[in-house]
Amino acid sequence: DADVTQTPRNRITKTGKRIMLECSQTKGHDRMYWYRQDPGLGLRLIYYSFDVKDINKGEISDGYSVSRQAQAKFSLSLESAIPNQTALYFCATSEIQGNGYTFGSGTRLTVV
Amino acid sequence: AQSVTQLDSQVPVFEEAPVELRCNYSSSVSVYLFWYVQYPNQGLQLLLKYLSGSTLVKGINGFEAEFNKSQTSFHLRKPSVHISDTAEYFCAVSVKTSYDKVIFGPGTSLSVIP
Repeated sequence: DADVTQTPRNRITKTGKRIMLECSQTKGHDRMYWYRQDPGLGLRLIYYSFDVKDINKGEISDGYSVSRQAQAKFSLSLESAIPNQTALYFCATSEIQGNGYTFGSGTRLTVV
Repeated sequence: AQSVTQLDSQVPVFEEAPVELRCNYSSSVSVYLFWYVQYPNQGLQLLLKYLSGSTLVKGINGFEAEFNKSQTSFHLRKPSVHISDTAEYFCAVSVKTSYDKVIFGPGTSLSVIP
């Protein structure tokens, strides 16, 4: 099994629908992150969490919310999806600063 | 605020030729530096990192990078590329503060031509 698992891998949803992307990890890391990737823009941070009770907004949190259900689980929700949220979403974990991230395989979300 | 620039969005190179992917960053405080690789339909994988010490760092798959503080650069190099190196490469910066916020560059697409 992968160290960081994201579900679903692909999702097509309609404008206005609520959708949840899930992430689970077996690394035992406290720090978890959600990024979105758009062509030519690299990865941009949506939310990050350093433990279950510590959740912080990233640079593009508007329109998104998160839930840290356990050390191993970090979910990203789009309350009312819109087409410009069409992107590739990545979950990542890290142990300590400077060690680098372990990424999941991504969720490709299309909002129509 | 910190930022990362990758000067080339696409780099085509022939197989077995050398390659350099350029990265410059902007920061008023000390940083950690990273290169990640993304193969098609996969997540990002850490290639190498610079934390401190020797400015030349070696990573996986024969890649290396050199930190140049005066030029605020962290260019990635490989002396001889293979077809399997075709991928997207991301330079990233992490500020040495109390939290681990990583800023990614826009990426460079490396295409290795047979």
